[in-house]
Amino acid sequence: QKEVEQNSGPLSVPEGAIASLNCTYSDRGSQSFFWYRQYSGKSPELIMSIYSNGDKEDGRFTAQLNKASQYVSLLIRDSQPSDSATYLCAVNQASGANSKLTFGKGITLSVRP
Amino acid sequence: NAGVTQTPKFQVLKTGQSMTLQCAQDMNHNSMYWYRQDPGMGLRLIYYSASEGTTDKGEVPNGYNVSRLNKREFSLRLESAAPSQTSVYFCASSSQGPNSPLHFGNGTRLTVT
Repeated sequence: QKEVEQNSGPLSVPEGAIASLNCTYSDRGSQSFFWYRQYSGKSPELIMSIYSNGDKEDGRFTAQLNKASQYVSLLIRDSQPSDSATYLCAVNQASGANSKLTFGKGITLSVRP
Repeated sequence: NAGVTQTPKFQVLKTGQSMTLQCAQDMNHNSMYWYRQDPGMGLRLIYYSASEGTTDKGEVPNGYNVSRLNKREFSLRLESAAPSQTSVYFCASSSQGPNSPLHFGNGTRLTVT
């Protein structure tokens, strides 16, 4: 069973701090990696994607990928109360041309004012 | 710009009843998916359709059937609902290729009593 693991939460940070969310995966053949944000009662929305080793920055968000160690992380700088949500790590265990994502169980982030 | 549309939003069934969840996307995506989300379990893939005319089982297909009616529509059927199928169901779509993220519908909250 190919697995995607996220460190257990919940995670609580003060406003303005850096939130660090981590994810490990078991399938070395995984090609693409995504972070989704899900507010309570809503559907997941894509916030970051990363495909090659290193860092990828988008505004206050930075995704980091290390394929040798099989982990992907998401850093949220200057955390805001509006960042309070569940964050889902997703890994594409692609078969041929198909995209088939496996999700971690998610980690709930709370940003306290 | 509707994206992925799911109906109904809420449904209550009695054990043994049947129903079909409808999903349609207007993004001209080739691939469509059905996930279920349960507390503490994350998102789990039920069935997916890589392209029109094909369907494949995901991680938790038992008790469900699907139909890819055309490129736009992908339905999920519960033939004889069980309390274990109480969940939030999400339909998603993606364009082809391993780097394609999923775009989610708003979800259907199903309760089986």
